[in-house]
Amino acid sequence: GENVEQHPSTLSVQEGDSAVIKCTYSDSASNYFPWYKQELGKRPQLIIDIRSNVGEKKDQRIAVTLNKTAKHFSLHITETQPEDSAVYFCAATPRAGTALIFGKGTTLSVSS
Amino acid sequence: GAGVSQSPSNKVTEKGKDVELRCDPISGHTALYWYRQSLGQGLEFLIYFQGNSAPDKSGLPSDRFSAERTGGSVSTLTIQRTQQEDSAVYLCASSREQGARGTEAFFGQGTRLTVV
Repeated sequence: GENVEQHPSTLSVQEGDSAVIKCTYSDSASNYFPWYKQELGKRPQLIIDIRSNVGEKKDQRIAVTLNKTAKHFSLHITETQPEDSAVYFCAATPRAGTALIFGKGTTLSVSS
Repeated sequence: GAGVSQSPSNKVTEKGKDVELRCDPISGHTALYWYRQSLGQGLEFLIYFQGNSAPDKSGLPSDRFSAERTGGSVSTLTIQRTQQEDSAVYLCASSREQGARGTEAFFGQGTRLTVV
């Protein structure tokens, strides 16, 4: 089955800096890669996703890149703000009809 | 309802007792997932239901864990003979599958299970 590795487990940045979180996946059939943000005591919520037919996607300060050959994808947050502090999870699913598998999460701390 | 609903929000049970956790997915969502999140840990996949297909049970940690989804809607996760290591937040999510395309999974608020 699919296995998703996520690094780093913790990341501390200064406000205004960029943050990058990287994930690798094992199943070459995976075609959908969402990123979720979980604030303390709250449920995970989707912030951005990318499909295997796209190499990059941007939404304001957030971008995701996908390298299918290397089987890795990354989340980029620019101009970080204190409210970006949360746990971020990457995930992958080989195809519809199979489970969404998550990485172990990255705790991002943005200090002002 | 407007979102995924889970009940109870909190459950304290004695070691060895059975517990049932309930999930009401978003209406019309054919896919339903259960995950377990231990304190400060990631989202551990437990079980996945998709329409009328056989569920993917590959994430269930032991035969004490089981789940059902009745009528393609409400799901119940049952843990028999609970152990202290079962203490965690159990999260349910649902999504609207679109053919071969993955779609956003919406999470419930979770059930915090404490086994004493």
